Amino acid sequence: GAGVSQSPSNKVTEKGKDVELRCDPISGHTALYWYRQSLGQGLEFLIYFQGNSAPDKSGLPSDRFSAERTGGSVSTLTIQRTQQEDSAVYLCASSTSSDTQYFGPGTRLTVL
Amino acid sequence: GENVEQHPSTLSVQEGDSAVIKCTYSDSASNYFPWYKQELGKRPQLIIDIRSNVGEKKDQRIAVTLNKTAKHFSLHITETQPEDSAVYFCAAHSGSARQLTFGSGTQLTVLP
Repeated sequence: GAGVSQSPSNKVTEKGKDVELRCDPISGHTALYWYRQSLGQGLEFLIYFQGNSAPDKSGLPSDRFSAERTGGSVSTLTIQRTQQEDSAVYLCASSTSSDTQYFGPGTRLTVL
Repeated sequence: GENVEQHPSTLSVQEGDSAVIKCTYSDSASNYFPWYKQELGKRPQLIIDIRSNVGEKKDQRIAVTLNKTAKHFSLHITETQPEDSAVYFCAAHSGSARQLTFGSGTQLTVLP
């Protein structure tokens, strides 16, 4: 079946602008994760949604970052007043209760 | 929280030789340990995983071993091929935290 999808694949924005990144998880997956990967670096956890539970926001780097998940499916990660250090690939993953996470292709964000 | 350390950060092997990547974790409650392969510009792909109730798992040329007492796990790739060249990430999943903590990655280069 269809895997995790993300849009846009690339986003170039100017410093100070807001951006929205979208993630469509695998159908039926109850858990959804956002990660950030800077060039040549590892995966930094941002936020985790599980069903109707309150999200785990412990990885969000600042209050400029927020995320929501509507109807237990699609998720949007919003970065307000973008800074150059926000430039990275933002990866979304989803999973069932088995804990195996499947990643989307990522959104490459460039802040000029 | 969980801390995962991975080494080496870079590894070069001759084609046909074996490669071993090692990870340690800190949270004794962690019970699921996946390995991901990430080719340049691509999404991380799950290649093998192991749960805490077994000590070893093998899938063709890839094997993972887990030592719960010492809190370390390793990825073994035998008969390496150029297409094995990629960045490999280990991760640990704590049932209580419900999220994966990733190692910093190993850049594996298989020399023809």
